[in-house]
Amino acid sequence: SQKIEQNSEALNIQEGKTATLTCNYTNYSPAYLQWYRQDPGRGPVFLLLIRENEKEKRKERLKVTFDTTLKQSLFHITASQPADSATYLCALAHGSSNTGKLIFGQGTTLQVKP
Amino acid sequence: ETGVTQTPRHLVMGMTNKKSLKCEQHLGHNAMYWYKQSAKKPLELMFVYSLEERVENNSVPSRFSPECPNSSHLFLHLHTLQPEDSALYLCASSRGGEQFFGPGTRLTVL
Repeated sequence: SQKIEQNSEALNIQEGKTATLTCNYTNYSPAYLQWYRQDPGRGPVFLLLIRENEKEKRKERLKVTFDTTLKQSLFHITASQPADSATYLCALAHGSSNTGKLIFGQGTTLQVKP
Repeated sequence: ETGVTQTPRHLVMGMTNKKSLKCEQHLGHNAMYWYKQSAKKPLELMFVYSLEERVENNSVPSRFSPECPNSSHLFLHLHTLQPEDSALYLCASSRGGEQFFGPGTRLTVL
C-alpha cells in the first residue's frame, strides 16, 4: 500500500544550526512533492514544490532535495531561528490528475531553541 | 491571510444536529478541497472539486455531504455525526500545484 513517512519525533535544534527533515515514501511515483509549514491551530502554508525531474530547489534559507531512486525528500532550513519552530508537512501529488490531489505525511515538529 | 476563508472557526454540535461548514476563495482557483485533520494523524483528503468535477474519497461516510455551487464557494454539510468526527476541518484551493489553506473549523461533536 502507498505510504509516506516523516520523523514522528520532534526535532530540537539550537538557533543558527541547520535543521534537516526527512520524508520517505513507498509505492508512489509522484509527479511532484511539496513541503508545507503548519502552526498550531492554523492551516498549512505552502513553502516549496519540487518536480520529479528536479534534484534540488532553494528558496531563501530553505532547500529541498528529491531523490526518486531512494524515494526520499530532504528539507533543510539553514541558519535556523526560533520563529522557524512549527510542524512541517510533506505532501506528494497523487497520480497525474489535474485535480491536484495530495497525500500528506503526518508531519515533523521542529523546535528551534535560542 | 491566504485568501481562503472558513466559517465558523469553531463549532460544537450534538449528534442529532445538522450544520454546514463554509469555505470561500477569491484567488481565481479552479479546484477546492476538504480535509480532515485529527490529532496525531496526517491530513485526510475528503473531497475534491475540480472544474466542476467532484472526486470523492470512498472512505468518507455519507453523513458528510459536500456542495460546490460555484468555483469560489464550497460547503460541507454535516448530519448525525459521531464523536470520532471531532477534528479540524480544513478547506483549500489551488490552480494545480500548491494549495492554499483556510484557517480551518474546529469541530466538536458531543
